[in-house]
Amino acid sequence: ETGVTQTPRHLVMGMTNKKSLKCEQHLGHNAMYWYKQSAKKPLELMFVYSLEERVENNSVPSRFSPECPNSSHLFLHLHTLQPEDSALYLCASSQDFLSRYNEKLFFGSGTQLSVL
Amino acid sequence: SQQGEEDPQALSIQEGENATMNCSYKTSINNLQWYRQNSGRGLVHLILIRSNEREKHSGRLRVTLDTSKKSSSLLITASRAADTASYFCATDDDYKLSFGAGTTVTVRA
Repeated sequence: ETGVTQTPRHLVMGMTNKKSLKCEQHLGHNAMYWYKQSAKKPLELMFVYSLEERVENNSVPSRFSPECPNSSHLFLHLHTLQPEDSALYLCASSQDFLSRYNEKLFFGSGTQLSVL
Repeated sequence: SQQGEEDPQALSIQEGENATMNCSYKTSINNLQWYRQNSGRGLVHLILIRSNEREKHSGRLRVTLDTSKKSSSLLITASRAADTASYFCATDDDYKLSFGAGTTVTVRA
């Protein structure tokens, strides 16, 4: 148990659906992240929130919409996704936004998303 | 952004043997981290080595860092079936962690 909980664990959705992924961290961390993991590819950083403010948006399509209502919760709202968006979506947290103080990430178990 | 690149992509060893995997990166770093991922799960932090360190140990793990060659290695000694997983190196890049595609290690009983 890493202290980062993601729900749901699995999600199947059609291209016209709207769904949300949820992440909650119980570690008192100030930074939260969304990563996308596709088979045989490096992890792609999607969004970073530090103290509830978005500090990074890595050219992610607008069909992915993050929300961070407080420092413990992070959502990823999905709408009109494409089949190529099928992947494992990982949430992570760190004490603070990565700095020169050698932060490490704590990951949730991920949501395996399939877009039909 | 630069990212670590692991080598080999896959590794299969017998239980009790050692497993070695390498990571190469492109630009200067403050630190390098190694993570493990069991199938269908999230990544778990294993070890962090700072740019001014050359070697670090944690249990059966040994990590080396050669900043002149921009490379790192992870050695798992006396491997066990439970070590079967994917292993990723991560480098700090402009205050972000960038990951490679990983090395998949299979430990045969």
